[in-house]
Amino acid sequence: NAGVTQTPKFQVLKTGQSMTLQCAQDMNHEYMSWYRQDPGMGLRLIHYSVGAGITDQGEVPNGYNVSRSTTEDFPLRLLSAAPSQTSVYFCASSYFAARRGEKLFFGSGTQLSVL
Amino acid sequence: KNEVEQSPQNLTAQEGEFITINCSYSVGISALHWLQQHPGGGIVSLFMLSSGKKKHGRLIATINIQEKHSSLHITASHPRDSAVYICAALETSGSRLTFGEGTQLTVNP
Repeated sequence: NAGVTQTPKFQVLKTGQSMTLQCAQDMNHEYMSWYRQDPGMGLRLIHYSVGAGITDQGEVPNGYNVSRSTTEDFPLRLLSAAPSQTSVYFCASSYFAARRGEKLFFGSGTQLSVL
Repeated sequence: KNEVEQSPQNLTAQEGEFITINCSYSVGISALHWLQQHPGGGIVSLFMLSSGKKKHGRLIATINIQEKHSSLHITASHPRDSAVYICAALETSGSRLTFGEGTQLTVNP
């Protein structure tokens, strides 16, 4: 098993550009989620999904879109990048989050800079 | 006020010391995660607790649901334990996590 594969590791964008952060897992996890990590603020939930075809907003969803067409993939789209979206992004997955005892598996992170 | 508070924010210890990191939360939860983030940035899940206590090697995690408090203990600390430790509360719906800001632990040889 590869676990959670997140790409790219680094990305520099200009304001207004769009891009997609990829996240794939091979563990048949129902639950997938995206977070951003900013200094002094901890990880914050952007969007999450509890299964294929089901997505919902987290704490900071504005400026981001997601879709879940398959169990394996959960891409995060930045529609029109802004400097405020400069951050480190993490994807994570698990068996359905409500099932007790299930750990989260994280991708390796994406360092995104928007100029 | 953050719904999940960790203390201390920073902790420096000498090798061999017993370490305690605390996590308090103000929301109803179904479980709580403890995570470790290494200097390279990768995040690893250590424990998920819904009650009582779990132990893995030198790491022990406890939770008191009534008091809304969890602790992570490291026995016989080692420089390789140096990392950021993060607690995250899973809301009762089971779908959302709220994270603490993390505790930076440095263990000196």
